[in-house]
Amino acid sequence: QKEVEQDPGPLSVPEGAIVSLNCTYSNSAFQYFMWYRQYSRKGPELLMYTYSSGNKEDGRFTAQVDKSSKYISLFIRDSQPSDSATYLCATYTGTASKLTFGTGTRLQVTL
Amino acid sequence: NAGVTQTPKFRILKIGQSMTLQCTQDMNHNYMYWYRQDPGMGLKLIYYSVGAGITDKGEVPNGYNVSRSTTEDFPLRLELAAPSQTSVYFCASSYTTGPGNTIYFGEGSWLTVV
Repeated sequence: QKEVEQDPGPLSVPEGAIVSLNCTYSNSAFQYFMWYRQYSRKGPELLMYTYSSGNKEDGRFTAQVDKSSKYISLFIRDSQPSDSATYLCATYTGTASKLTFGTGTRLQVTL
Repeated sequence: NAGVTQTPKFRILKIGQSMTLQCTQDMNHNYMYWYRQDPGMGLKLIYYSVGAGITDKGEVPNGYNVSRSTTEDFPLRLELAAPSQTSVYFCASSYTTGPGNTIYFGEGSWLTVV
């Protein structure tokens, strides 16, 4: 079983839709949860991070963590074509060598 | 405003050849990393460094070597290239490893071994 599981997609939605991207993880020791966005032919960039359970909002983006079910989500409101990218979830226990990435979900927002 | 710079962007290698992927950062970050990204496999850590002169293995170090003689540079050496090393390689850096620590990635190096 992979430590972090993520549906690869692709996920195609119309502009303005609410997008839900999800990951599950297996290691209860994970404490920090991150979402990275990766545009085609580019390196990942940090979008949001959260610690432990709960929600965190940043503009159109909301990150949600449910540690009881080991489930993390990223919601994108009013999706835009510029949101088209691959979204990677990542978790870590607190040291650089223990950063674990999901495989990424490719999102396409269409006009 | 360079950030993390990797060269080359694209390279084709023949089996058994060697090469070095160059990485430099201008943010005075202590931590530097090399990842590889394969389709459907996510990012895997190859090697990392917590400062000049200090390196350590990540999850998939076999077939690679690194050095960190300066804070800025963290080259990745491929010895005796194999088809299994065909991948996209990302160099990254960060100031610390604390909560919310931002890891900055380079734009990637596409390597094909034939």
